[in-house]
Amino acid sequence: SQTIHQWPATLVQPVGSPLSLECTVEGTSNPNLYWYRQAAGRGLQLLFYSVGIGQISSEVPQNLSASRPQDRQFILSSKKLLLSDSGFYLCAWSPEGAGGNLGQFFGPGTRLTVL
Amino acid sequence: AQSVTQLGSHVSVSEGALVLLRCNYSSSVPPYLFWYVQYPNQGLQLLLKYTSAATLVKGINGFEAEFKKSETSFHLTKPSAHMSDAAEYFCAVSSYSSASKIIFGSGTRLSIRP
Repeated sequence: SQTIHQWPATLVQPVGSPLSLECTVEGTSNPNLYWYRQAAGRGLQLLFYSVGIGQISSEVPQNLSASRPQDRQFILSSKKLLLSDSGFYLCAWSPEGAGGNLGQFFGPGTRLTVL
Repeated sequence: AQSVTQLGSHVSVSEGALVLLRCNYSSSVPPYLFWYVQYPNQGLQLLLKYTSAATLVKGINGFEAEFKKSETSFHLTKPSAHMSDAAEYFCAVSSYSSASKIIFGSGTRLSIRP
């Protein structure tokens, strides 16, 4: 079966510090991968998605970047955090070639607080 | 373009009462529709999905949803609410694409009164 991991679970960082959040998927090959942000009391905002190694699509211009150095690894980064980067970050995956009808499967999330 | 509207950001029902969470979608192509549940400080869990087979879809935890094309709706129901159903619920729409992107609604917080 497939599992998705995110770490760390919680993170408190000062403004201006760098960020690296990691997501890994087990039990599948060449998955589609996604990063979402969920601000307090709000819905999900798609930040980045990837359909393959080194292929990153950005949905909104912002202070963040994403990379996919390995097939089942997805990393969310920032060089300098802003207060507005605080939120709950969710990684998700979907099967390669599913075409959208299987949905996406989410990790446990990372709670980021920027002070 | 696709979109999802969830009517009611907060719904409160008594334990044992009917749960009805409303979702309307907009899509220019045949949609795939989903309901997800999120418990506090956790990721989203897929409750059920509609992918053009049966219009009445049964999911986990006793939930079900009915796809009504004429009403562009996909409301989520459960006959009898349980305290453990208290959570945030998200309706979502997708269509065929290589990237399997999903558009999420803004969510409905379900509270259960003892």
